[in-house]
Amino acid sequence: DQQVKQNSPSLSVQEGRISILNCDYTNSMFDYFLWYKKYPAEGPTFLISISSIKDKNEDGRFTVFLNKSAKHLSLHIVPSQPGDSAVYFCAAGQPFGNEKLTFGTGTRLTIIP
Amino acid sequence: EPEVTQTPSHQVTQMGQEVILRCVPISNHLYFYWYRQILGQKVEFLVSFYNNEISEKSEIFDDQFSVERPDGSNFTLKIRSTKLEDSAMYFCASRGVGQITDTQYFGPGTRLTVL
Repeated sequence: DQQVKQNSPSLSVQEGRISILNCDYTNSMFDYFLWYKKYPAEGPTFLISISSIKDKNEDGRFTVFLNKSAKHLSLHIVPSQPGDSAVYFCAAGQPFGNEKLTFGTGTRLTIIP
Repeated sequence: EPEVTQTPSHQVTQMGQEVILRCVPISNHLYFYWYRQILGQKVEFLVSFYNNEISEKSEIFDDQFSVERPDGSNFTLKIRSTKLEDSAMYFCASRGVGQITDTQYFGPGTRLTVL
């Protein structure tokens, strides 16, 4: 089941620069998307979400972009900080009764001081 | 800030034994979920629960699994007869009422080790 894919298992970015994490999906029924951050031995922590009626959502240093035609979303973190080092998961959901989230495999982001 | 809590943080059990994983969702939330993550793999949906009944379950959630909301605050996952392949991190999540896009908030997880 590869409905949500994060093709980059890891990413290293210099502190202060922009981090861009990518996610692709195949199921056209997905209509809302979330990004979670996860530290080892902890649960996923919600970061930001976007519904399919939007193509951009911004919250502080975090911006999520959605390209429905390409079935692609990305998370931009700017400026990147050392505390951003974690595994980032994108997740997708379907509307109206089908409530489960389908997760990607995650991207390990390392911010280099 | 309200949060989802889970106990125990780590559970070790022998194959064939029953385990109960416990969760206290955020107090005004009405939708509850269990997910699991096998080491090195993605987070996988197990079951969703609303209005005292299962609303959806995955293929993983077979007859060995059950969920219950025994009182107004706890939400439990029971595995009747554990198998080695049940070893994983189990995450509870909850969601508030409102639009379907309300966020699911996750607990810290219970690491289940089946020997």
